[in-house]
Amino acid sequence: DSGVTQTPKHLITATGQRVTLRCSPRSGDLSVYWYQQSLDQGLQFLIQYYNGEERAKGNILERFSAQQFPDLHSELNLSSLELGDSALYFCASSVAGQVNAGNTIYFGEGSWLTVV
Amino acid sequence: GESVGLHLPTLSVQEGDNSIINCAYSNSASDYFIWYKQESGKGPQFIIDIRSNMDKRQGQRVTVLLNKTVKHLSLQIAATQPGDSAVYFCAEKTNFGNEKLTFGTGTRLTIIP
Repeated sequence: DSGVTQTPKHLITATGQRVTLRCSPRSGDLSVYWYQQSLDQGLQFLIQYYNGEERAKGNILERFSAQQFPDLHSELNLSSLELGDSALYFCASSVAGQVNAGNTIYFGEGSWLTVV
Repeated sequence: GESVGLHLPTLSVQEGDNSIINCAYSNSASDYFIWYKQESGKGPQFIIDIRSNMDKRQGQRVTVLLNKTVKHLSLQIAATQPGDSAVYFCAEKTNFGNEKLTFGTGTRLTIIP
């Protein structure tokens, strides 16, 4: 158990809908990262927050948004869902903001989203 | 764009043997690399990391080798066990100033009992 908690574990929704994925980082971690894992794209970095502020941005669609709250939990909002958005969405956390040795990034178990 | 790793290959190793998983990276400026293990239905799990100022780092039963000349990274697992069966990803720190971990496509390791 990495200590990173994600909910829900599984979610099935229809095209055009909106969902919110939730992440609680490990105790003491200030950074939260969101990744998407699909069969054809592998693990893709979406976005990172550090202590409530956006720190780095990856290939996140405009239909997707995220935020980190004062209690450091984070939410990933996916809207106008398409079939191609079906994937595993991972949240990860680390103590510090930079990607570097000594700042291990721990992943949660993921939220499996199926869009039908 | 930048890419790390190869197409998802499969490696089958007899239990007790050593295994070597390889990864190629494309960004010669990358200075930090990580190996992750992902078991079925779980999230990636940190195994070992290495900075670019090193060419070798050892952990418990695992060794990472870095060859910057040919931009190659390898993970050696000694005395493989059934619990080592998983997909292994190398990851590279890229986009300095907008740092992120770029993951390779992974290698599926299967341990044959």
